[in-house]
Amino acid sequence: AQSVAQPEDQVNVAEGNPLTVKCTYSVSGNPYLFWYVQYPNRGLQFLLKYITGDNLVKGSYGFEAEFNKSQTSFHLKKPSALVSDSALYFCAVRDHYNQGGKLIFGQGTELSVKP
Amino acid sequence: DAGVIQSPRHEVTEMGQEVTLRCKPISGHDYLFWYRQTMMRGLELLIYFNNNVPIDDSGMPEDRFSAKMPNASFSTLKIQPSEPRDSAVYFCASRPKTGGRETQYFGPGTRLLVL
Repeated sequence: AQSVAQPEDQVNVAEGNPLTVKCTYSVSGNPYLFWYVQYPNRGLQFLLKYITGDNLVKGSYGFEAEFNKSQTSFHLKKPSALVSDSALYFCAVRDHYNQGGKLIFGQGTELSVKP
Repeated sequence: DAGVIQSPRHEVTEMGQEVTLRCKPISGHDYLFWYRQTMMRGLELLIYFNNNVPIDDSGMPEDRFSAKMPNASFSTLKIQPSEPRDSAVYFCASRPKTGGRETQYFGPGTRLLVL
């Protein structure tokens, strides 16, 4: 079965420090991977995606993610966290068995950046 | 473009009442998705449409839920009769046609509370 796992419910980081939000996946074939962010009382906003090519993907707001095929991971990173990065982050993978591009979402990771 | 538009943003109703949620996708997008978000179950795909036709409704919880897309610029999700366990945030998302590589764009959501 295809799935996405975000092993940490919450990540706490001090402002200015690097942050990592973890994501692992299980799919058949080549994965299409996505990261979304959800601020309080808002919809999900697209951050970045990996389809093919360079394993390091750069996205919005200074975020990047590294695709690692051998470890089946797609961790989200940022070199220097901001308090305004505090939000709920979702990793997702495209369901290859679904013609419509259905996304399978992880449970989300709450990122808290303290000043 | 204004993005995906949802209305109402908040809905409070009493058990047994009919609830109708509305969505206007981004112009030119061929796919429309309805999701439900709860603390217990996270993000769940309820149904999606391609060119106004429902393709996969396997996520619709039961017959009390129905969704329509009468034209390319409008969709509704209806709950009749509503129950307290339907309380959740309902998101609509849309994406363009070309393959699974395209990103889904989410609306701000409708926060539903059934008393």
